[in-house]
Amino acid sequence: EDQVTQSPEALRLQEGESSSLNCSYTVSGLRGLFWYRQDPGKGPEFLFTLYSAGEEKEKERLKATLTKKESFLHITAPKPEDSATYLCAVITGANSKLTFGKGITLSVRP
Amino acid sequence: DGGITQSPKYLFRKEGQNVTLSCEQNLNHDAMYWYRQDPGQGLRLIYYSQIVNDFQKGDIAEGYSVSREKKESFPLTVTSAQKNPTAFYLCASRNTVTSTDTQYFGPGTRLTVL
Repeated sequence: EDQVTQSPEALRLQEGESSSLNCSYTVSGLRGLFWYRQDPGKGPEFLFTLYSAGEEKEKERLKATLTKKESFLHITAPKPEDSATYLCAVITGANSKLTFGKGITLSVRP
Repeated sequence: DGGITQSPKYLFRKEGQNVTLSCEQNLNHDAMYWYRQDPGQGLRLIYYSQIVNDFQKGDIAEGYSVSREKKESFPLTVTSAQKNPTAFYLCASRNTVTSTDTQYFGPGTRLTVL
């Protein structure tokens, strides 16, 4: 059974304090790994897709990386508006079903 | 604007009632999905459809039903057989033509059983 584990469950940062969110996975035949951002009471917003180990993608203060066992979402000099829950999901098999982790709630204090 | 709309935003159900959640997309996506989100848990797949007039059960389909009569629409019915329906329901769609596997989500419907 595919498993996705995100850590830590919650993270509190001071504005400008860089850090990383972890997503480890145990799957058979990874086709892709996805990062989403979710604000309270809203639907997830797509951030990145990573397909192969060594791949990196960046968007503003966020950078996602992928290894054979895990992915990191690096947040550089975060701002309060980066506060949200960050979801990681993997896709395996031919039916494009996503398996999600429980999410990491990030809070950035001004 | 292209996107996914879900209605209503909030829905209250009495015990024993069936309710239907709406999901519409104008992205011309073939595949559509329904997920359920509960506090402290990851999103769980209820049903999905990759083409009109065809759909498959996800991991937690019991107590739910769907239809896919039009490409743009994928309504979800929460039946009285669903024992714990209070949750946040999310609809998503995917462009199968470009094969990017990326799913895009709607704003969600929060269902509360009274």
